[in-house]
Amino acid sequence: DVKVTQSSRYLVKRTGEKVFLECVQDMDHENMFWYRQDPGLGLRLIYFSYDVKMKEKGDIPEGYSVSREKKERFSLILESASTNQTSMYLCASRTSGLAGGTDTQYFGPGTRLTVL
Amino acid sequence: RKEVEQDPGPFNVPEGATVAFNCTYSNSASQSFFWYRQDCRKEPKLLMSVYSSGNEDGRFTAQLNRASQYISLLIRDSKLSDSATYLCVVTLNTGGFKTIFGAGTRLFVKA
Repeated sequence: DVKVTQSSRYLVKRTGEKVFLECVQDMDHENMFWYRQDPGLGLRLIYFSYDVKMKEKGDIPEGYSVSREKKERFSLILESASTNQTSMYLCASRTSGLAGGTDTQYFGPGTRLTVL
Repeated sequence: RKEVEQDPGPFNVPEGATVAFNCTYSNSASQSFFWYRQDCRKEPKLLMSVYSSGNEDGRFTAQLNRASQYISLLIRDSKLSDSATYLCVVTLNTGGFKTIFGAGTRLFVKA
């Protein structure tokens, strides 16, 4: 059974704090993604990675950075959390293979981050 | 204009009803199409892929109309357990693959 896990389900932080969100997948997938999901806006891609140490900006990378030191782990970092980063953060992974973007994305359970 | 647009709903239907959701996409270079289901406070999960010829999985039927750039999902004989948000998902090949999620359509099936 495929599995994507995220380090926390709920997190409360203060403005200006540094926040680490961790994601681990056990499917040996090359591609990993970080999204945020807000009411009425759907999922928006923050960053993605197609290989170890590789990263690409998504649609809304401002205020975030990522790290992928190992294939199974993709971390999202908020250098200085702000209240407008209060959101649900979802990590996903997908194999690349020949089908590329047609393969299913598998999501973690999400981290609901509140920045006060 | 959003790249993928869905009616947010909510759709409130009785058990046993047939309900249809539509989704439009703006980029004609879109290649792959999916419906995901997201339960309340849970992560999205793939419901079904959408093929040009249309495809069916039990009570669920997905259709793609490339000319009009819309995708549909039909649910027959609705069950209480079908209550969820249904996300329309489109993949583009823009040099690399880009996946775009719609904001979702919420469905409530009532007894």
